[in-house]
Amino acid sequence: SQQGEEDPQALSIQEGENATMNCSYKTSINNLQWYRQNSGRGLVHLILIRSNEREKHSGRLRVTLDTSKKSSSLLITASRAADTASYFCATVLPAGAGSYQLTFGKGTKLSVIP
Amino acid sequence: DSGVTQTPKHLITATGQRVTLRCSPRSGDLSVYWYQQSLDQGLQFLIQYYNGEERAKGNILERFSAQQFPDLHSELNLSSLELGDSALYFCASSAGQGGYNSPLHFGNGTRLTVT
Repeated sequence: SQQGEEDPQALSIQEGENATMNCSYKTSINNLQWYRQNSGRGLVHLILIRSNEREKHSGRLRVTLDTSKKSSSLLITASRAADTASYFCATVLPAGAGSYQLTFGKGTKLSVIP
Repeated sequence: DSGVTQTPKHLITATGQRVTLRCSPRSGDLSVYWYQQSLDQGLQFLIQYYNGEERAKGNILERFSAQQFPDLHSELNLSSLELGDSALYFCASSAGQGGYNSPLHFGNGTRLTVT
């Protein structure tokens, strides 16, 4: 089952522009994570934002979290061709018997045109 | 480089066969997670092991099984393969027990093609 849903599904921008991706989720969370995946490769962790945080920065990345709206956004500033990848948000869902699973959305495919 | 090693990188096999995918976690990580990624289903959580014991189970079919060995490497066994099992299978590891307060580190996956 999917918890987070990214929007848009695909985004194409020119190098140097900013890219904004959104994630909506359904249940309450402890934290929300963003990952990046280059084509055919493994996912790479970008940022983890906790439920009591509203904004977090890492280099050219800025993540916001609005728990009242159950949404998060990932902003990549001054994009580069190397930022071309799929971006996923991930949240935690119960997996039964008191355990949990990290659940990923279907991702936003970002293309940065040189 | 995430430090997570998966072998083989590619696997082509026929329907009805059985395959084993192998994963070595990042040094020091005790948890191993298996995910399946396909175009239609996205990234689906299969199963998690922590220090040799099964910790969480997701959408894993009964034809699939996994284990984590004392040296912490893990194997995912897929049997009676069907065309629909064709996918990228990822292994990830983390230091934590599965509370997800620390990130997962993913390998580069095994691409399974069932013909």
